[in-house]
Amino acid sequence: DAGVIQSPRHEVTEMGQEVTLRCKPISGHNSLFWYRQTMMRGLELLIYFNNNVPIDDSGMPEDRFSAKMPNASFSTLKIQPSEPRDSAVYFCASRTETSYNEQFFGPGTRLTVL
Amino acid sequence: SQQGEEDPQALSIQEGENATMNCSYKTSINNLQWYRQNSGRGLVHLILIRSNEREKHSGRLRVTLDTSKKSSSLLITASRAADTASYFCATDPAGAQKLVFGQGTRLTINP
Repeated sequence: DAGVIQSPRHEVTEMGQEVTLRCKPISGHNSLFWYRQTMMRGLELLIYFNNNVPIDDSGMPEDRFSAKMPNASFSTLKIQPSEPRDSAVYFCASRTETSYNEQFFGPGTRLTVL
Repeated sequence: SQQGEEDPQALSIQEGENATMNCSYKTSINNLQWYRQNSGRGLVHLILIRSNEREKHSGRLRVTLDTSKKSSSLLITASRAADTASYFCATDPAGAQKLVFGQGTRLTINP
């Protein structure tokens, strides 16, 4: 199994630019989670999907952030426009219904907004 | 806000010693999990303990759970340099489908 795949692994962009982060969950997993990790705030849940449907987006910082899951094997997290305070490592994780909520994390995307 | 709070924030010990990390939480839970994160990597699941369990073992790991005190501990015995990482507890609040992570304990094993 390839595990959760995220791309790109590193992204450097300038303030105001649009950023799109991508995630491919483990095949057969029906829940997908987007997290953000910073030194100051730790690991924060941004949004999660069950069966491609967004269930809880209360962690999304503001309207500049949006996430989609058009099918069971792909999700995107978009930031438009990006700001320096968005600099963080963004993780995607997935799980199955029967895993007692054990989550499998991707390697993360390190985003730097200049 | 983070429900799980780990203690200590950082721990440095000699190889071969035991490492103990603690986690406190605030609400009722279905289970509590511990994850490890090596520098620059994603989190890796280590062990899960259900709310009706008090202790669980996996290799050199021992986890305890005290639901009356809303606390858990992770013990790593006979530590190795490769155990150097950050360790996070994550709670699965009852009625929720998501995990809430603590701030983590940074563990350093000195050779």
